Amino acid sequence: AQTVTQSQPEMSVQEAETVTLSCTYDTSESNYYLFWYKQPPSRQMILVIRQEAYKQQNATENRFSVNFQKAAKSFSLKISDSQLGDTAMYFCAHSNYQLIWGAGTKLIIKP
Amino acid sequence: DTGVSQDPRHKITKRGQNVTFRCDPISEHNRLYWYRQTLGQGPEFLTYFQNEAQLEKSRLLSDRFSAERPKGSFSTLEIQRTEQGDSAMYLCASSFLGTSGDNEQFFGPGTRLTVL
Repeated sequence: AQTVTQSQPEMSVQEAETVTLSCTYDTSESNYYLFWYKQPPSRQMILVIRQEAYKQQNATENRFSVNFQKAAKSFSLKISDSQLGDTAMYFCAHSNYQLIWGAGTKLIIKP
Repeated sequence: DTGVSQDPRHKITKRGQNVTFRCDPISEHNRLYWYRQTLGQGPEFLTYFQNEAQLEKSRLLSDRFSAERPKGSFSTLEIQRTEQGDSAMYLCASSFLGTSGDNEQFFGPGTRLTVL
């Protein structure tokens, strides 16, 4: 069965610090896609970053980067220089035609 | 194209009433998904369409829930005889699924349902 596990229900850090959110998944597929989505309080779900499993290079989008360890089935999200606007629920998701969601990590950035 | 839109954004209804929500996906997307989300939880998959075909509906919460996508464009989600437990955010998402298996989904703002 395909599953996605986010082991950190909630995290909080000070503004400008770096934070890493963890995600592990299980799949028998060799090619698939991984996503991190962000959902700010009372706001729309938006894509933060994506990784294609056949690419060894870790994806980066400005302050957001991933550490993709295919053999370990790990896909963590690193947020550098965190900002107050990064406060949100973060969901990890795995896709091979169907999208499988983790339970989410609530991230709070403190001023 | 401005993204996925949902209407209404908020709906308050009395228990026992029927409600219908609409979702307009990104125009070139062939897949459309409905999710339910309760406070502090991740999206709970309900059903999805590929073009006009409903490919998965076993996850709809009960027979009071139904969805349509009559022409492969917009979709509606109907809840009949609403119950207080139906109060939640209902999310719609769309994607273009080709042969690669890439299924990046784009979400609408959601419809928040409150059943009194």
